[in-house]
Amino acid sequence: GENVEQHPSTLSVQEGDSAVIKCTYSDSASNYFPWYKQELGKGPQLIIDIRSNVGEKKDQRIAVTLNKTAKHFSLHITETQPEDSAVYFCAATDNTGGFKTIFGAGTRLFVKA
Amino acid sequence: GAGVSQSPSNKVTEKGKDVELRCDPISGHTALYWYRQSLGQGLEFLIYFQGNSAPDKSGLPSDRFSAERTGGSVSTLTIQRTQQEDSAVYLCASSPYPPSSGSRETQYFGPGTRLLVL
Repeated sequence: GENVEQHPSTLSVQEGDSAVIKCTYSDSASNYFPWYKQELGKGPQLIIDIRSNVGEKKDQRIAVTLNKTAKHFSLHITETQPEDSAVYFCAATDNTGGFKTIFGAGTRLFVKA
Repeated sequence: GAGVSQSPSNKVTEKGKDVELRCDPISGHTALYWYRQSLGQGLEFLIYFQGNSAPDKSGLPSDRFSAERTGGSVSTLTIQRTQQEDSAVYLCASSPYPPSSGSRETQYFGPGTRLLVL
C-alpha cells in the first residue's frame, strides 16, 4: 500500500544552523505534499505545501523541494530558532480522487540555544 | 474564526468499556478525517468523510472502531470494548473540499482527545 518514509526521526541542531528533513513516497499518483508542525499537546498545523507541478517553494525561513522522478521531497529550515523545536510531519496526497493523506512517522527537531 | 474542536480533551476508561469521541469541524468544511497517534508515533489514518459520499473506512484497525458524521458536520468516533492498545491521541481534522478558495487539501487539526485505557 501507500507509504511515506521520513528521516531522520530525531534531529538536533544549534540555533542559527539549518535543518533538513527528507521524505520519500511510494504512490506515484501523489500530487500534493504538505508539511505539518506539531507542538507539544497540540494538533499538527500546516507550515508549507508543494504540488507536483512545482519543484521548489519558499516561505521566509522554510523551503520545500520536490523530485517527482525520485519520489523525494524535503523540508529545509534556515536560521533555526528555539521556537522551531517541534515534531515535523511530511505527507503525501492523491487529490484526484479522495483526499486520503499518508503521513510520515515524524521528525523530532531540537534547536539548542 | 473557530477552529476544529474535540471533546473530551482527555478520557480514561477501563478495558472493555465503550467510548465516544466527538469532533466539531470548521463550519463549511465538507471533508473530515480521523487519525490515531500513539505515543511518539506518526499519524495513522482511520477514516475519511467527504460530503454525502460513502466514507473511506480503510484505516479502521478492527470492527470495534466505527465513526459517523451527522448532517455533514459533527462526527463521532466510537470504540467498543476498548483494549489497552487503543490508548493513544485521537486527532480529527477538516478541510474545505470541494474547493472554494485557497488550498482545498489543507487539513486543519483539532487538539485531539487523549484516551487512556486501563
